[in-house]
Amino acid sequence: DVKVTQSSRYLVKRTGEKVFLECVQDMDHENMFWYRQDPGLGLRLIYFSYDVKMKEKGDIPEGYSVSREKKERFSLILESASTNQTSMYLCASVRPDATGNYGYTFGSGTRLTVV
Amino acid sequence: DQQVKQNSPSLSVQEGRISILNCDYTNSMFDYFLWYKKYPAEGPTFLISISSIKDKNEDGRFTVFLNKSAKHLSLHIVPSQPGDSAVYFCAASPSTLYNTDKLIFGTGTRLQVFP
Repeated sequence: DVKVTQSSRYLVKRTGEKVFLECVQDMDHENMFWYRQDPGLGLRLIYFSYDVKMKEKGDIPEGYSVSREKKERFSLILESASTNQTSMYLCASVRPDATGNYGYTFGSGTRLTVV
Repeated sequence: DQQVKQNSPSLSVQEGRISILNCDYTNSMFDYFLWYKKYPAEGPTFLISISSIKDKNEDGRFTVFLNKSAKHLSLHIVPSQPGDSAVYFCAASPSTLYNTDKLIFGTGTRLQVFP
């Protein structure tokens, strides 16, 4: 089974701190994604990456950046955490596959609280 | 602009009955649709999918119906079980052949199955 591992389940950070959320997948997937989940808003895409060193903005990139130095690792960075970034953060990965499309594999999520 | 909409934020169903979760989309370029199930403090897990060339796909107790002319899909769970209580997200993609395209998620419907 594909495994997507997010390093922290729960985090509490102070306003203004720089925050790193780490995601690692073990199935050599090319594509990786960061979403945040908020009540009533569903899953919204922050950033995604199709390959090492590549990154693309999603729908809500403001206040975030990402890093993909190795294929298996995709990091989300909150440059200066704010209270409106309190959320559940979800990482996902998928391999482009011409024979079928079974969607993403998600990590268990990181619940971030900014105080 | 919400391209994938789940207009019912919550649904309550008695055990053994049918659960019907609905999803509407606006983009006619969407070609592939998926349903995910999410328990609290866990990442979403893939449930079932359907390609636009079909109008029905069945997997055990779960059936997804697609009405392309109405831009509407639904997930039927029969019979509903207490373990089905979770948040269900529908998602859409413009591609069936390649997993390179990002998924667009709906806002989610919280299903509660009571004894």
